[in-house]
Amino acid sequence: AQSVTQLGSHVSVSEGALVLLRCNYSSSVPPYLFWYVQYPNQGLQLLLKYTTGATLVKGINGFEAEFKKSETSFHLTKPSAHMSDAAEYFCAVRDSGYSTLTFGKGTMLLVSP
Amino acid sequence: EAGVTQSPTHLIKTRGQQATLRCSPISGHTSVYWYQQALGLGLQFLLWYDEGEERNRGNFPPRFSGRQFPNYSSELNVNALELEDSALYLCASPRGGQGLSSSYNEQFFGPGTRLTVL
Repeated sequence: AQSVTQLGSHVSVSEGALVLLRCNYSSSVPPYLFWYVQYPNQGLQLLLKYTTGATLVKGINGFEAEFKKSETSFHLTKPSAHMSDAAEYFCAVRDSGYSTLTFGKGTMLLVSP
Repeated sequence: EAGVTQSPTHLIKTRGQQATLRCSPISGHTSVYWYQQALGLGLQFLLWYDEGEERNRGNFPPRFSGRQFPNYSSELNVNALELEDSALYLCASPRGGQGLSSSYNEQFFGPGTRLTVL
């Protein structure tokens, strides 16, 4: 069975600082990996995804993530945080043979001025 | 194109009642996924409908059920409501709309229905 672990339910950064949100997964087959963002009282919006090919994936709003098979990780980063980045972030995995997503429990990103 | 729509936005029920939530996928998409987002539990997969049939089901009791209509919209029904059913229920449809073959395609989410059980 596939699973996703997001380290830290809350991460606090200052505006302009590096954002690092951690995600580790377990999957018995090559996974497809996703990061979603959820702003208050809204649904989920896709930030980026990894399917095959280049392991460094660039997404919207300046975010990127790197797939590291040896570490079973897919950490999300952004060089410089903005106040508007404050939201909850979800990592998700889908085994190539299935269509449903398995989500991590989410990490709330707090950005202070 | 219009995105995924859900209704109602908020729903308040009491224990033992039934709740009906509705979802319309992106136009032309045939698959609908339902997820429950309960406080502290993250998002959990509930149900997947494609071409009018239930394709997969998450680890939820039978009082969670649903259906998909010929126009691909979907209903989620929750019977005999319990306090712990209070959650945000999200509906999603994948780009491309074909279930199994779209396994690498992202899912587009609706804004959700906030169900409160008193």
